Amino acid sequence: KQEVTQIPAALSVPEGENLVLNCSFTDSAIYNLQWFRQDPGKGLTSLLLIQSSQREQTSGRLNASLDKSSGRSTLYIAASQPGDSATYLCAVGTGTASKLTFGTGTRLQVTL
Amino acid sequence: DVKVTQSSRYLVKRTGEKVFLECVQDMDHENMFWYRQDPGLGLRLIYFSYDVKMKEKGDIPEGYSVSREKKERFSLILESASTNQTSMYLCASTPLVWSSYNEQFFGPGTRLTVL
Repeated sequence: KQEVTQIPAALSVPEGENLVLNCSFTDSAIYNLQWFRQDPGKGLTSLLLIQSSQREQTSGRLNASLDKSSGRSTLYIAASQPGDSATYLCAVGTGTASKLTFGTGTRLQVTL
Repeated sequence: DVKVTQSSRYLVKRTGEKVFLECVQDMDHENMFWYRQDPGLGLRLIYFSYDVKMKEKGDIPEGYSVSREKKERFSLILESASTNQTSMYLCASTPLVWSSYNEQFFGPGTRLTVL
């Protein structure tokens, strides 16, 4: 059974700092990996999707990498801003219909 | 932009009531999903559907059923609500039945409280 772990569970950084969020998964037979952002009490917003054949994806200040063989992904956020404060969730897609298995998230706070 | 909408943001029901949660997507997506999210447990898949009238159980289907009569609409049904079903419920959809490029799009969530 696929298990997804995110470390750290919570992170506080000053504005402007570059940071890395980590995600690991136990079964490397995945179709894709998706990073989401969730604001308190809200739904999930998709940030980046990496297909299993890809190594990384970039969107603006965000860069996500995937190392399938070692079961790891990282989300790099450059020049963090207070508006980046949210919970970041990693999810791996497996099986039919691209079912997702989620990690429990990293709660990020960017302070002024 | 893909739009996934859920019928209620907040819902309060009593134990034993039958509860319907509705989800509608406007992008002709094939797959639709229902998750629940609880502190410390993350998101867990309840049911998903890859076509009209087709459904499959997820990881925690007990106490729930689903209905997909039309492609754009996926309903989650709590036959007899219980207090342990108090949770945030999230609906999602993806374009294709199977693809490594199957990005999931989520609705805003329904926070259900069962008293």
